[in-house]
Amino acid sequence: AQSVTQLDSQVPVFEEAPVELRCNYSSSVSVYLFWYVQYPNQGLQLLLKYLSGSTLVKGINGFEAEFNKSQTSFHLRKPSVHISDTAEYFCAVTFTGGGNKLTFGTGTQLKVEL
Amino acid sequence: DGGITQSPKYLFRKEGQNVTLSCEQNLNHDAMYWYRQDPGQGLRLIYYSQIVNDFQKGDIAEGYSVSREKKESFPLTVTSAQKNPTAFYLCASSTPQYGGGGELFFGEGSRLTVL
Repeated sequence: AQSVTQLDSQVPVFEEAPVELRCNYSSSVSVYLFWYVQYPNQGLQLLLKYLSGSTLVKGINGFEAEFNKSQTSFHLRKPSVHISDTAEYFCAVTFTGGGNKLTFGTGTQLKVEL
Repeated sequence: DGGITQSPKYLFRKEGQNVTLSCEQNLNHDAMYWYRQDPGQGLRLIYYSQIVNDFQKGDIAEGYSVSREKKESFPLTVTSAQKNPTAFYLCASSTPQYGGGGELFFGEGSRLTVL
């Protein structure tokens, strides 16, 4: 079975600073990887996903993530954050052939401060 | 606009009562899912359905039941057997990609509080 670890439960950062949210996964088979964002009391919205090909994936709102197979990681980055990026971010994984049943990490709360 | 509608948004229930959460989608998706969200635990899969009249248990199905009589609808019943039902419940849908990799579209959630 696959699993996802998000090491940081909270990440405070000042506006216009860069940020990295960490995600590590464990799986014995090939995986697909996702980052979702959740604003307070709302559902989740897809930021980006890695299926195959280029290991650097670009998503919405200026976010990007890099798939590193040797490190089993899929860290999310943004070079300059905005107040509106304050939200909870979830990393998720599904294995190839597993349909769309996602296994989610525990989430990282990003708090952008002035 | 296409999307997923969950109702009610907030629900209070007394211990020992069953409650049903509604989920309706007009995205023409075949697959639908129910997740439970608790603080610090992320999202956990309760039930999912790949096609009408068929559904499978997820990781935490005990104390829950579902039905899938129509493509658009996937209601979740939280029964009195669920020992800790207070949580935020999220419904999602997707096109059926059995190889994986498809995007899940989420509703805005229903927050259930047991008094």
